[in-house]
Amino acid sequence: GAVVSQHPSRVICKSGTSVKIECRSLDFQATTMFWYRQFPKQSLMLMATSNEGSKATYEQGVEKDKFLINHASLTLSTLTVTSAHPEDSSFYICSARPGQLSYNSPLHFGNGTRLTVT
Amino acid sequence: AQKVTQAQTEISVVEKEDVTLDCVYETRDTTYYLFWYKQPPSGELVFLIRRNSFDEQNEISGRYSWNFQKSTSSFNFTITASQVVDSAVYFCALKGRGSTLGRLYFGRGTQLTVWP
Repeated sequence: GAVVSQHPSRVICKSGTSVKIECRSLDFQATTMFWYRQFPKQSLMLMATSNEGSKATYEQGVEKDKFLINHASLTLSTLTVTSAHPEDSSFYICSARPGQLSYNSPLHFGNGTRLTVT
Repeated sequence: AQKVTQAQTEISVVEKEDVTLDCVYETRDTTYYLFWYKQPPSGELVFLIRRNSFDEQNEISGRYSWNFQKSTSSFNFTITASQVVDSAVYFCALKGRGSTLGRLYFGRGTQLTVWP
């Protein structure tokens, strides 16, 4: 079945540094990828929609300059948390939608990245 | 507007008990899709089921069953004879026809703990 690989699974970084998270579709072309953020014991909140070859669409309240998204190929989207602060500590999870599948096909999720900013 | 409400934040049961997780949704779309996902402690989201708004048939898959009621905008999930391995957070999600392709609206999740 379709698989989405997310890397790294865990990362600890110091405040002020940048962290890049990768989301890869392993056996399908993902024209659209989604980045979600999940705080402890909270739901998943969509941060942005990433479209291959074009700018990402950010949800209201999400700083595009802080959370840089790049979707340069049909199998890779990256989320870079710039100048990370402790409040950016969270669980980030990506999902991908195969371009060929129907509208109601389930999204495939990565395993998530737990970011801790010290 | 799309909204999913999972009123139960936490549920604890003893192994072999049946448990039902509630999900109520709101949408103005006439065509929409409902999902359930399981999130074990490791964090990944495991797809369980997808239902479209035209299909109100209930579904059973092993110990899992789903009851879709359009009249009450509910899509409840029942685990029969629960097991410790069922312990996880369960999310109900909605995808409307009018929303960005693939964009899911999640409920806040229900933490299910099954005790041996």
